[in-house]
Amino acid sequence: QVQLQESGPGLVQPSQTLSLTCTVSGGFISSGDYYWSWIRQPPGKGLEYVAYIFYSGNTYYTYYNPSLKGRLSISADTSKNQFSLNLSSVTAADTAVYFCARATPYSTSWPVDYWGQGTLVTVSS
Amino acid sequence: DIQMTQSPSSLSASVGDRVTITCRTSQSISNYLNWYQQKPGKAPKLLIYAASSLQSGVPSRFSGSGSGTDFTLTISSLQPEDFASYYCQQSYSGRTFGGGTKVDIK
Repeated sequence: QVQLQESGPGLVQPSQTLSLTCTVSGGFISSGDYYWSWIRQPPGKGLEYVAYIFYSGNTYYTYYNPSLKGRLSISADTSKNQFSLNLSSVTAADTAVYFCARATPYSTSWPVDYWGQGTLVTVSS
Repeated sequence: DIQMTQSPSSLSASVGDRVTITCRTSQSISNYLNWYQQKPGKAPKLLIYAASSLQSGVPSRFSGSGSGTDFTLTISSLQPEDFASYYCQQSYSGRTFGGGTKVDIK
């Protein structure tokens, strides 16, 4: 059974960088079979796909939400079985629950089948 | 970018009702469409993938249909545990979620 757990500061100051880590158990992020993802949800609002990373042919590939591109960075640490998100120059609009998740290739629609519990990050001084 | 329009944004229904939620995309996405259910304070749960395939463990009262630009999630007989928010999501080009539909008790 795959489990994902987010960790990171719950409060970030405006203009600073938001950094979150997702620790995966029950599966290996280096297996190359899955897209390891970040999805966020502002309080009371809908879901937004932020980024994902996957491993193929000894290389990590990434996807970034175009509306956030330029501020985003996603990376992986296979030795710790973790992947991380950095979002720079944050504003109050980046306040959200951030979920880490796994998207699976068992369908061409790459559904997200496992989710972390989510962590609330508030941007405020 | 592919835009997604989900409707209605909210609806009130009774236990036993048949409920239909629609999702329309700004361009054809074949069947690259998933549906999720989310309850307050919880992570979303996958219900339907590839527009019409039922995720393992999901009750058969949930069904999905559609292809191209128009998709539907149907709950054939609403149960108390189905009061939640529902989201569609496309993976044809990038990744986008619909705005969500909140289903509450009439």
